[in-house]
Amino acid sequence: KNEVEQSPQNLTAQEGEFITINCSYSVGISALHWLQQHPGGGIVSLFMLSSGKKKHGRLIATINIQEKHSSLHITASHPRDSAVYICAVLNGNQFYFGTGTSLTVIP
Amino acid sequence: DAGVIQSPRHEVTEMGQEVTLRCKPISGHDYLFWYRQTMMRGLELLIYFNNNVPIDDSGMPEDRFSAKMPNASFSTLKIQPSEPRDSAVYFCASKSGGTGELFFGEGSRLTVL
Repeated sequence: KNEVEQSPQNLTAQEGEFITINCSYSVGISALHWLQQHPGGGIVSLFMLSSGKKKHGRLIATINIQEKHSSLHITASHPRDSAVYICAVLNGNQFYFGTGTSLTVIP
Repeated sequence: DAGVIQSPRHEVTEMGQEVTLRCKPISGHDYLFWYRQTMMRGLELLIYFNNNVPIDDSGMPEDRFSAKMPNASFSTLKIQPSEPRDSAVYFCASKSGGTGELFFGEGSRLTVL
């Protein structure tokens, strides 16, 4: 059983659609990260959060500590948002990673 | 700061050869992580260091893998001898403090023929 589960695994959307990616975890948490990886590219951290909600441009991340659940939302999606989004939970000094959600936004 | 710097970006080698991957963490970061990413298994932690000391190497696949951090600005991951199943992208990442943001290098793509 994975400590961090993401859904969906794959997602295709039309440009402009509102997108939600979900992350559930079973370990204790110090912080949760949402990471973005473009095809063949490096990994960048989009958000680090331990409670509530954060917003950066068209991206919004929320976390519910009691329910052990986080969501990443993308408003007005664009083809350049096409990437793999990875949920990573920090437990102590260890990160536990989801398997990623592959997002394709079609023009 | 230039971010986490890894080299080489790409390495193609033959089975049995020694491979050394290098990482320079962000200056001032006291945690350094080595991860391996494959299509089948996603991101897996191999080992991490705190203040240059290896803390958890339980993710290192076997004795063929070794990692060192001789000082705060340099770490190596060595595979000897390499095998085709070691083909993957190896990421180095660093962070500051207990809950600092994690910064990744660009990765080293290893192909073992």
